[in-house]
Amino acid sequence: EVQLVESGGGLVQPGGSLRLSCAASGFIFSDHYMDWVRQAPGEGLEWVGRSRNKANSYTTEYAASVKGRFTISRDDSKNSVYLQVNSLQTEDTAVYYCARYQVSPYRFSDIWGQGTMVTVAS
Amino acid sequence: DIQLTQSPSLLSASVGDRVTITCRASQGISSYLVWYQQKPGKAPKLLIYAASTLQSGVPSRFSGSGSGTEFTLTISSLQPEDFATYYCEQVNIYPLTFGGGTKVELK
Repeated sequence: EVQLVESGGGLVQPGGSLRLSCAASGFIFSDHYMDWVRQAPGEGLEWVGRSRNKANSYTTEYAASVKGRFTISRDDSKNSVYLQVNSLQTEDTAVYYCARYQVSPYRFSDIWGQGTMVTVAS
Repeated sequence: DIQLTQSPSLLSASVGDRVTITCRASQGISSYLVWYQQKPGKAPKLLIYAASTLQSGVPSRFSGSGSGTEFTLTISSLQPEDFATYYCEQVNIYPLTFGGGTKVELK
């Protein structure tokens, strides 16, 4: 079964850090771009960033709202992608989803994890 | 950044109704537009990509159209399982952006 499973969320104080993980199974992970998307409580979806695949040198992209604070990495040997979130602010409170992104011939996120909740509060 | 404006934000409809949701982009995005369905407490589900291509397994009552700056998602005959929130996403230019969502509720 093709699936993504996120973990690592929790309650953290403002200024704190977390490392979110996303474990993939059922497909050739190393071939794919992987995205992180978040959703604040009661709000819409916000794209956070992307890790390209090995063929594209594992380069990354980020939303302006998280650039410099969040870092995406991956370990193809563990079929996992990670989101290191630093200097957390209350507005980072959200469910964080990882998603598999298809880039060719069409672009879309076809597989999503169930999400992991990050709550930033004192 | 490209802004996506969805309308309406809330749509009240009955089972069997034909429903249309619009997504307008602040600049042209060709056909790089994706539609998702999201139910409460669940991850988004891919419905349509490339503006009009139905994802495998998605019922044919869903359809998409448009290019450039104006796009529509149509449900030809609303079913009970279709009550959900729908989002468009542009995948043309970084940063990727989503519309604000359209909640389809029971009238």
